[in-house]
Amino acid sequence: DGGITQSPKYLFRKEGQNVTLSCEQNLNHDAMYWYRQDPGQGLRLIYYSQIVNDFQKGDIAEGYSVSREKKESFPLTVTSAQKNPTAFYLCASTSGQGARDEQYFGPGTRLTVT
Amino acid sequence: GNSVTQMEGPVTLSEEAFLTINCTYTATGYPSLFWYVQYPGEGLQLLLKATKADDKGSNKGFEATYRKETTSFHLEKGSVQVSDSAVYFCALRNTNAGKSTFGDGTTLTVKP
Repeated sequence: DGGITQSPKYLFRKEGQNVTLSCEQNLNHDAMYWYRQDPGQGLRLIYYSQIVNDFQKGDIAEGYSVSREKKESFPLTVTSAQKNPTAFYLCASTSGQGARDEQYFGPGTRLTVT
Repeated sequence: GNSVTQMEGPVTLSEEAFLTINCTYTATGYPSLFWYVQYPGEGLQLLLKATKADDKGSNKGFEATYRKETTSFHLEKGSVQVSDSAVYFCALRNTNAGKSTFGDGTTLTVKP
């Protein structure tokens, strides 16, 4: 079955450590996205990539970094510069840039930093 | 710019009650409109969509009509079930925008 895989589901880190969240898709989609979701809040866009080897900052990119070396993969690194990294992180993809293209989401990774 | 405003939650209903979750938007051009649903601890999944004015999206008993004159896309269901308890997000996507705009989400709890 085609879909988006995020691993791990739960991740614990100590403050001051960088951590990388995995996102893999086998939908053959060009565009991929990372969102952050805090309790009781909506989605905030961190980074997105419309094509391999290219990506753009979203609304809250500070303290995060990404790479897009392969079409299938879009890992997100939460750096020690991110002041409040504890959150639920969602990866998504779309098949194209059109208005009609819905987003497909992964199951999410819950990151806890203490 | 684009924006989506959703009815604030939480919304609590009894089983078999009628559901309306309001959604209004601001956008240039001709966006497509979406409703996504998020069950506890999971990612979002598409519930329904409409791609032009007066289109009605429907799925699993849920419906929403794209109203350009009122810039609205309200979600409705005639008889909710306990299994409909989730967070519902309204979203829009413009041509060549490269990204979607989401509302803040509305939490629905249905009690037996």
